[in-house]
Amino acid sequence: DIQMTQSPFTLSASVGDRVTITCRASQSISIWLAWYQQKPGKAPKPLIYQASSLESGVPSRFSGSGSGTEFTLTISSLQPDDFATYYCQQYNTYFPTFGQGTKVEIK
Amino acid sequence: EVQLVESGGGLVQPGRSLRLSCAASGFIFDDYAMNWVRQVPGKGLEWVSGISWNSRSLGYADSVKGRFTISRDNARNSLYLQMNSLRPEDTAFYYCAKARAGAGLGNAFDIWGQGTMVIVSS
Repeated sequence: DIQMTQSPFTLSASVGDRVTITCRASQSISIWLAWYQQKPGKAPKPLIYQASSLESGVPSRFSGSGSGTEFTLTISSLQPDDFATYYCQQYNTYFPTFGQGTKVEIK
Repeated sequence: EVQLVESGGGLVQPGRSLRLSCAASGFIFDDYAMNWVRQVPGKGLEWVSGISWNSRSLGYADSVKGRFTISRDNARNSLYLQMNSLRPEDTAFYYCAKARAGAGLGNAFDIWGQGTMVIVSS
């Protein structure tokens, strides 16, 4: 199985900050990477697919980049609604795997 | 409105069985692969199983292989997960998730249900 490793595990930031989360794959996954946002008690919300394509309705302050084994999710100016846990997911194979999650907390 | 609604969760004893269902609406169900993803409360996401549009391709996580069976009924716009020989470590929220693009396995998930909780305990 392809292992996905996110960093940091927890991130403390303030409203207006630029935030970057990294996701590394244990082998190349080309651009087959998605990002999700999850809030407590809710299902994950899709943000990005194919490493850099924004899902419909997702604010433009979210962006994704990368290919191969290293990927980033960037929030250009953190808003109060963005405090949540973020997961990356590879789908290069028939056996998708998720990163362990990054919790974005209020500083 | 595109929607997935899971049902069938509950409290079950170790070794027993449970069947989860997911009712789909608002999209052409048999155009897409479907999946089950689970999450232990307070922990991360784990893909459990996936099924292609025509049920010919099935995939399972190693943790459930041989115990869980995924199936679908395109006429009823429904997805199922038969869970046998349940273990305490199967305790989790179980989400139904639609493949974002395409009818085969290996996809991002663009629509998620609200989840159904399964508790395996004596």
